[in-house]
Amino acid sequence: DAGVIQSPRHEVTEMGQEVTLRCKPISGHNSLFWYRQTMMRGLELLIYFNNNVPIDDSGMPEDRFSAKMPNASFSTLKIQPSEPRDSAVYFCASSSGDASISGNTIYFGEGSWLTVV
Amino acid sequence: AQSVTQPDIHITVSEGASLELRCNYSYGATPYLFWYVQSPGQGLQLLLKYFSGDTLVQGIKGFEAEFKRSQSSFNLRKPSVHWSDAAEYFCAVGASGGSYIPTFGRGTSLIVHP
Repeated sequence: DAGVIQSPRHEVTEMGQEVTLRCKPISGHNSLFWYRQTMMRGLELLIYFNNNVPIDDSGMPEDRFSAKMPNASFSTLKIQPSEPRDSAVYFCASSSGDASISGNTIYFGEGSWLTVV
Repeated sequence: AQSVTQPDIHITVSEGASLELRCNYSYGATPYLFWYVQSPGQGLQLLLKYFSGDTLVQGIKGFEAEFKRSQSSFNLRKPSVHWSDAAEYFCAVGASGGSYIPTFGRGTSLIVHP
């Protein structure tokens, strides 16, 4: 079975450039999450969707970050313009049901390693 | 707001030795608690979770964890560590308002010596 698929796996970009990270959740999963992992702050929830609708985006750091989920099988996290402090590993994850109330297991992708120079 | 503390940044054990990774949480009500493992270059994988009931929870890969309300702890244990257990381990607690969505601790890196 295919797990959560993220692309690109690695990206190096220059400061000021737009970065788009992509995610395909596990088929049939209703909830999708974007997390960011850094040495300084650990693993932080940026945003989560349920049935393609953003439910909680309180973790999105600032207006430079935006996330969309146009359909049940695809989501993007965009950073525009990117800054060196955005360098991190970005994880997409998904689960069945409404993750906030179902308690169903959350499955993580392998991450997108972003370096902004 | 809920929070999780993993006091040990690194733990080193010899292969075959027992393991206990510590986790303390702060949450006003009965928490939802999780342990995840992250192998190098990989995403996180759920080892086990506690929502209610039996306070000793069995997970995958031979791991178990015990919820102790009096100590606000949810320590992870394994009786005999294998070299393949070397990884980063994250404790997490369900978010405030009764949500199951995990908020993660900073992680403990497990090093296994042959």
